[in-house]
Formats: sequence, C-alpha cells, structure tokens
Amino acid sequence: ETGVTQTPRHLVMGMTNKKSLKCEQHLGHNAMYWYKQSAKKPLELMFVYNFKEQTENNSVPSRFSPECPNSSHLFLHLHTLQPEDSALYLCASSQDSYSNQPQHFGDGTRLSIL
Amino acid sequence: EDQVTQSPEALRLQEGESSSLNCSYTVSGLRGLFWYRQDPGKGPEFLFTLYSAGEEKEKERLKATLTKKESFLHITAPKPEDSATYLCAVYGQGAQKLVFGQGTRLTINP
Repeated sequence: ETGVTQTPRHLVMGMTNKKSLKCEQHLGHNAMYWYKQSAKKPLELMFVYNFKEQTENNSVPSRFSPECPNSSHLFLHLHTLQPEDSALYLCASSQDSYSNQPQHFGDGTRLSIL
Repeated sequence: EDQVTQSPEALRLQEGESSSLNCSYTVSGLRGLFWYRQDPGKGPEFLFTLYSAGEEKEKERLKATLTKKESFLHITAPKPEDSATYLCAVYGQGAQKLVFGQGTRLTINP
C-alpha cells in the first residue's frame, strides 16, 4: 500500500460508545496530523505529532484522545461524543511538522453520532 | 492571526470555459501556499506548493500563481473531470501550521 490509509471509512456510534480511528502512512514521513472537516467550514487542525511527540493540541475537548505509537501510525480514541462531533475526520502526514513541505491526506473517516 | 479567504464559494462553468479561482491571504512571513483538490468522499489531494511572489506552477489544465496578497488557480479549457472542491492553505512563520480556506466548489458541465 502507498500513501495514507484511514480505517474505518464510516462509523456510526452512540454518545456513550467508545471507538477508535486508525491512520497509517507509508510515505516515510515523521509528522502526522488529525483534522476535522465539517460542512461549510475550513479544515480544523486538531492534533500534531512530530517524531511521535505531540506538538500541538488545538484546544480539542478531552473526549478526543490521540495516540501515536510510532511515526507510521496514528490513532484517535473517541468517548462520550456529542452530536456536533459528527464530521469527516482526516489524517495527514508530512516530512516533519516544522518545514514547509506539503501534507498528504487520507480519505477520512465519516463519523456520525446518534 | 493567519487567514485565508477563497472566492467564489461555488463556480459553475461549461466545458471548455476557462476561469480563475482566488485565494486571498494574510500571514506573518509566508513559508508556503498550497493548493489541494478534494473530490466528494475523498481526502484533499495535493496539487501545488508556491513559495514566493511571482512563482508559477502548472499541471495539465491548471496553473497556480502567487502574489504577496493572493494566489490564483487558473483553469484552462476545463473538462467535467475537473469538477471538485479546490482548497487553498498557507503556512506562515508565526502559526507554523497549515491554515485552510473554505474552498471553492467547481462544477464543469459537459
């Protein structure tokens, strides 16, 4: 596989459930990102990991918990979400987080909260 | 605070009808301006990076240009397969993260 792969592609969960989103990149990059994309709004950066260390938490509620076990894998653990959390969650990677190299995105997980 | 504004919000063209999309930005120390294409149900696909005013990049029917305040994505003789949402983002010295615009939804009718 090449590029950035996200699973699952679609997820429906209740407000009391716990689930995880997974992202894997095969580009040899050292930085990984989580973004939220809602209708009619620009992409919102949530978290940044550079060489497995979290370098940015963009005031994200604690019901979202990221995990980066290595430079190729990134998870987003979800618990007790709210209806307004329904959105497309995108993962991206880049060479590192402090250079101006382009980020490459996966196809996202479409999350629906019942 | 870094800001990006894209216009128009939506654009509908006939096949072969050339046009331009605009990306206006304010940033403290531009380190890169990025254009992406996003198809429905997909993630953004990287198109171009522009680093300094006066720079131009081309790919098939697309040409991106950059000034100190804005970037244009020119589409020449578009085809229906060029229909997508086009996203612009800037990376500045201050924020040190990508800041995206809301995108322009382009529809090319056959």
